Amino acid sequence: ETGVTQSPTHLIKTRGQQVTLRCSSQSGHNTVSWYQQALGQGPQFIFQYYREEENGRGNFPPRFSGLQFPNYSSELNVNALELDDSALYLCASSFFYNEQFFGPGTRLTVL
Amino acid sequence: AQKVTQAQTEISVVEKEDVTLDCVYETRDTTYYLFWYKQPPSGELVFLIRRNSFDEQNEISGRYSWNFQKSTSSFNFTITASQVVDSAVYFCALSVGGDSNYQLIWGAGTKLIIKP
Repeated sequence: ETGVTQSPTHLIKTRGQQVTLRCSSQSGHNTVSWYQQALGQGPQFIFQYYREEENGRGNFPPRFSGLQFPNYSSELNVNALELDDSALYLCASSFFYNEQFFGPGTRLTVL
Repeated sequence: AQKVTQAQTEISVVEKEDVTLDCVYETRDTTYYLFWYKQPPSGELVFLIRRNSFDEQNEISGRYSWNFQKSTSSFNFTITASQVVDSAVYFCALSVGGDSNYQLIWGAGTKLIIKP
């Protein structure tokens, strides 16, 4: 059974650029959630996708957007990057509303 | 409003000592779930336990045990005979609304250091 994978591992961007992060769900899972974790803090919920539609959103601006594909993989897109967007971005997959299993994360640095 | 508080920012103990990590939550919902996750230095969050609001039974899994008390809104985590490999940041989280997945609300985490 393959776990949750994320790419890339690390990414460096400059202010104003756009970034796309990718996540592959664990086999058998159909729901994907994205979280932002700033250094030294707990994760913050960005949004969740189920059946290729957004199924809930945290307190993040519209420049954070996402997609879920028919194979349940997902993308997180962030436009007009700001310095405060520097964080670890975590993807979690689950089967409906069961326990979430997390990927290793993507470390984004915005300069 | 929902909130999770982990008052202990960092705990340092010597190997083989027992250690308890505190978690206090706030919610007005009667149906909710509580979680503990472990985040080692590699960064990947590892699921440890889920408990629903109707099940106050304590749980033991090897050296890990959890004490859920609705009267004090606490869900504490104890590691018995700690080992160096237990060193990590531990997060307590809350999910409300009758399901266990939607919008996890996280505490700030407790960094646990186990010294040899």
